[in-house]
Amino acid sequence: DQQVKQNSPSLSVQEGRISILNCDYTNSMFDYFLWYKKYPAEGPTFLISISSIKDKNEDGRFTVFLNKSAKHLSLHIVPSQPGDSAVYFCAARGGSQGNLIFGKGTKLSVKP
Amino acid sequence: DSGVTQTPKHLITATGQRVTLRCSPRSGDLSVYWYQQSLDQGLQFLIQYYNGEERAKGNILERFSAQQFPDLHSELNLSSLELGDSALYFCASSVAGTSYEQYFGPGTRLTVT
Repeated sequence: DQQVKQNSPSLSVQEGRISILNCDYTNSMFDYFLWYKKYPAEGPTFLISISSIKDKNEDGRFTVFLNKSAKHLSLHIVPSQPGDSAVYFCAARGGSQGNLIFGKGTKLSVKP
Repeated sequence: DSGVTQTPKHLITATGQRVTLRCSPRSGDLSVYWYQQSLDQGLQFLIQYYNGEERAKGNILERFSAQQFPDLHSELNLSSLELGDSALYFCASSVAGTSYEQYFGPGTRLTVT
């Protein structure tokens, strides 16, 4: 039973346009959400996070939106750059424990 | 470079064998987490140690065990290996036991033949 779902395995976007990556979750007890970026042959790298008490967090070109009623979050990248091409994982923190529950990832390709 | 190191980078072994994966956390981090990423799967949490003590357990098989040593490095032991254990194994570390941000190592790719 997947508690964190990324329903789009891949996404292709033109350079300079907006990339929107989506994530759905089922457990309303999750208190923190994170996005990680992963390049081939490397470990995941922390990108941006959001607390469950907020609905938006912005860091440069990256913005994460949280819709708790829909149990949905999204990552917006504006403008997209070829260097953003990677696999993006959505993760949720399961309450009092520190471990993260990850989605299966979305592979983003940004075309020049 | 996250500051988390993992050895070896690649490991090829036969079914039934036992292997040990090693992880050194970032300087100052007390928590170590182990994750498994199989083909087409997300990262599955296996186990967490905090300052030498087991803190949380996920979907870790009984054939797998881990420990964290006084110098805070951690080892993940996989025994009676099966073909399905072939995967990427990641170690992550964080400052505290319930830190929001975890820093991942480059992973160990295990191939069981």
